[in-house]
Amino acid sequence: QVQPQESGPGLVKPSETLSLTCDVSGHSISSGYYWGWIRQPPGKGLEWIGSIYHSGSTYYNPSLKSRVSISVDTSKNQVSLKVSSVTAADTAVYYCAKETTPSTVRGAFDIWGQGTMVAVSS
Amino acid sequence: QSALTQPASVSGSPGQSITISCTGTSSDVGTYNLVSWYQQHPGKAPKFIIYEANKRPSGVSNRFSGSKSGNTASLTISGLQAEDEADYYCCSYAGSSTLVFGGGTKLTVL
Repeated sequence: QVQPQESGPGLVKPSETLSLTCDVSGHSISSGYYWGWIRQPPGKGLEWIGSIYHSGSTYYNPSLKSRVSISVDTSKNQVSLKVSSVTAADTAVYYCAKETTPSTVRGAFDIWGQGTMVAVSS
Repeated sequence: QSALTQPASVSGSPGQSITISCTGTSSDVGTYNLVSWYQQHPGKAPKFIIYEANKRPSGVSNRFSGSKSGNTASLTISGLQAEDEADYYCCSYAGSSTLVFGGGTKLTVL
C-alpha cells in the first residue's frame, strides 16, 4: 500500500531554511499524480503549501510562494519541501499527501503521511 | 485567497444528523465542484471522506454525504456515532491550480 513518510529536523532556528523530505513507498511518484505539502500549526487548521508533479511542475500557495520551494526526485521516489526565512509562525506539523485524481491539482488528497512536527525557535 | 469559512463547532447526539457548512466565494467554491472534506482525530493525519463536493471514496461510510449550493458546500453526517467526534475540514480548488482550506469545525457527539 502507498505509504508516504515525512522526515526532517524537528527544530529550526528563526531566519534559517526548513527542509523536509517525503519518502514514498508502495507507489511510484512517476505514475502520474500530484503530491502536495500541507501544514497545520499547533491547535490550528490546515494550510495548503503547494503541490508537485513528477515532471517537476509545481504550484504554490500565493501567500507562501516567495519563501517556498518544492522539488521531486523520481530516482529516490521522494518529494522535498524548503521554506526559507522561517519564523515562529512556520511552527507546524507538515504533511505530504497524494492527490486521488491523476495529473491534476484538485485538493482531493487520498493518502497522507503521518506528518512531522517542526518547531522554529532559537 | 482567504480561508473558507466553517463554523468553529457543531454538536449532536448519537443517532442524529448534523451538517457542517463551508462558505467560500465565486472564485473557489462557487465556481468549481472541487470541494473535498477531511476528518481529523486528535494527533492523527486527516482522512479523506468526500471529493468533488458529493463523491465518497471507497470505504467511507455512506453516513457521510456532501453537497454544494452557490458559494457554500456542506457535509452531512447522519446516524451520528461517538467515533464521528473529530475535526472536519473542507478544501476547495481556487483556480490556477491552487487550493484553499477551511478553518475547521470541531464536532462534539453529546
